[in-house]
Amino acid sequence: NAGVTQTPKFQVLKTGQSMTLQCAQDMNHEYMSWYRQDPGMGLRLIHYSVGAGITDQGEVPNGYNVSRSTTEDFPLRLLSAAPSQTSVYFCASRADRRSGNTIYFGEGSWLTVV
Amino acid sequence: DAKTTQPPSMDCAEGRAANLPCNHSTISGNEYVYWYRQIHSQGPQYIIHGLKNNETNEMASLIITEDRKSSTLILPHATLRDTAVYYCIVRARNAGNMLTFGGGTRLMVKP
Repeated sequence: NAGVTQTPKFQVLKTGQSMTLQCAQDMNHEYMSWYRQDPGMGLRLIHYSVGAGITDQGEVPNGYNVSRSTTEDFPLRLLSAAPSQTSVYFCASRADRRSGNTIYFGEGSWLTVV
Repeated sequence: DAKTTQPPSMDCAEGRAANLPCNHSTISGNEYVYWYRQIHSQGPQYIIHGLKNNETNEMASLIITEDRKSSTLILPHATLRDTAVYYCIVRARNAGNMLTFGGGTRLMVKP
């Protein structure tokens, strides 16, 4: 059971480039989300999904797009990278509402925009 | 979500109990107290959660005051590997959105 898998682990982008951070979970969880964590800060919610075909914005959605075509995958797209998007990104998933709020996190993706 | 207040940092000697406090004075009746931790450069890890009764698992104990306005996470025998940032989060069990993380407490376990 791999849990939540994120790729790539490290990435350097030039300003204006686009890229996709991949996230996959093998626990058949309905809820998936993306957080970013800046140095010395807590996690901030970017986007989340409550099921395949359904996505919504979190606290800091600007500059990011998501889609949820399958239950397993929840990619995060940076449309035109900016230095302010230099951060560590965490993907997370949890089971449905009836199963409580225990969240499982990926190991993180370190993104640097130069 | 109810707001939580935690001290920004704490130290603990290795082998001693680490007691991490959290204030959540605006908690409502259907909200649970959750604790997560984040070890450096890793994803956050679930520790424990509770509603009003004290809870214990293999990782920690959670003590919730009778008025539910505060709680304490107890690591009974802290080790160097428990050095991490600990997040106290208050949330309804069936809430649709994901959890909101605040600043947490940076626990440093010292030999």
